[in-house]
Amino acid sequence: AQKVTQAQTEISVVEKEDVTLDCVYETRDTTYYLFWYKQPPSGELVFLIRRNSFDEQNEISGRYSWNFQKSTSSFNFTITASQVVDSAVYFCALTEGGSQGNLIFGKGTKLSVKP
Amino acid sequence: ETGVTQTPRHLVMGMTNKKSLKCEQHLGHNAMYWYKQSAKKPLELMFVYNFKEQTENNSVPSRFSPECPNSSHLFLHLHTLQPEDSALYLCASTLGGLADTQYFGPGTRLTVL
Repeated sequence: AQKVTQAQTEISVVEKEDVTLDCVYETRDTTYYLFWYKQPPSGELVFLIRRNSFDEQNEISGRYSWNFQKSTSSFNFTITASQVVDSAVYFCALTEGGSQGNLIFGKGTKLSVKP
Repeated sequence: ETGVTQTPRHLVMGMTNKKSLKCEQHLGHNAMYWYKQSAKKPLELMFVYNFKEQTENNSVPSRFSPECPNSSHLFLHLHTLQPEDSALYLCASTLGGLADTQYFGPGTRLTVL
């Protein structure tokens, strides 16, 4: 069965600190897709990144970077030089290649960045 | 970003009321989804429609009734809800391919009194 675990319920940092959000997943499928979404207080889920199981290259987008390691079934998300606007709940999600888009979400990590 | 819109944004209803949530996507997508987000719980998939056909009903109580008249519009009709149904209801859409990225609307915050 699929499962996504975000062990960190809440993280609080001071602006300009780096922060890593952990995501560990479980799946029996060899083809799967991993996602990160950001949910600011307004409620909308904002798509950040999608990775497929065959692409283990790490990705960097501005201050955001993602570390995908199949050996540990992890897909961690790092924000460098955090800013107050990064405050939100961040969700990691998984879907298997044969599914009809059934996204399995973790419980989310609430990030608070203080000035 | 107005790719996926939802109305109303907030709704308060009594347990005997009938109301509907509306979702509209302007992305040319073919699949649409309803999710429920309750406090302290992961997002739960409720329904999936692909090319207007319901392809998934995730054991949702019959007091929630979805409707998808076309690929751009999705409704969730609500009838005799319970207080525990209070939650944020999110709509999403994708092109419809396997494991496509889902794009979400802003949600409707529902409170059942």
